[in-house]
Amino acid sequence: NAGVTQTPKFQVLKTGQSMTLQCAQDMNHNSMYWYRQDPGMGLRLIYYSASEGTTDKGEVPNGYNVSRLNKREFSLRLESAAPSQTSVYFCASRPGQGLNQPQHFGDGTRLSIL
Amino acid sequence: KQEVTQIPAALSVPEGENLVLNCSFTDSAIYNLQWFRQDPGKGLTSLLLIQSSQREQTSGRLNASLDKSSGRSTLYIAASQPGDSATYLCAVSDTGNQFYFGTGTSLTVIP
Repeated sequence: NAGVTQTPKFQVLKTGQSMTLQCAQDMNHNSMYWYRQDPGMGLRLIYYSASEGTTDKGEVPNGYNVSRLNKREFSLRLESAAPSQTSVYFCASRPGQGLNQPQHFGDGTRLSIL
Repeated sequence: KQEVTQIPAALSVPEGENLVLNCSFTDSAIYNLQWFRQDPGKGLTSLLLIQSSQREQTSGRLNASLDKSSGRSTLYIAASQPGDSATYLCAVSDTGNQFYFGTGTSLTVIP
């Protein structure tokens, strides 16, 4: 039972390069989320997808784009990476919007931008 | 905007001690509150979820309480063990899809 799988686990980029972080869940969940975790800041929501075919901005969406490819997959793209985007990125999923069900998290992607 | 605070930032206790972790939030109009555990280099694992209409939830040695009117939640850990060492985070949800996290309390249980 894989749960939420994120790839890659680690990545180093140069400023200005682009990259897509991948996330897939096998729990048939409707809602998926992208967070970033920075020291002293806690987790902050970047984008979320309440259901297949919909995406919405979270607290810190600038510099990112997302695609809900299908019910299983939700990707996060950095078009022109900046050092301020150095962070640990987490993907999460839950059964559906408005339901009192916990989020399930992947193990994260550690991204460094030089 | 919802602000979530966790105090203390770090806590060290001897094995066997009972302990309380604190979480406070600024806007009482929440949908639910969750407590998570995060081990180094890993993602978050959900421990307990309290709906806005509930006062507490229990799972094994863990008990979480919620006082919406005062904007507070506590996580009580009974008979702490070295395996409980981790960072504990709380998160509140306003509409069901916007989640606001605290910065966590790093717990070390000394054998």
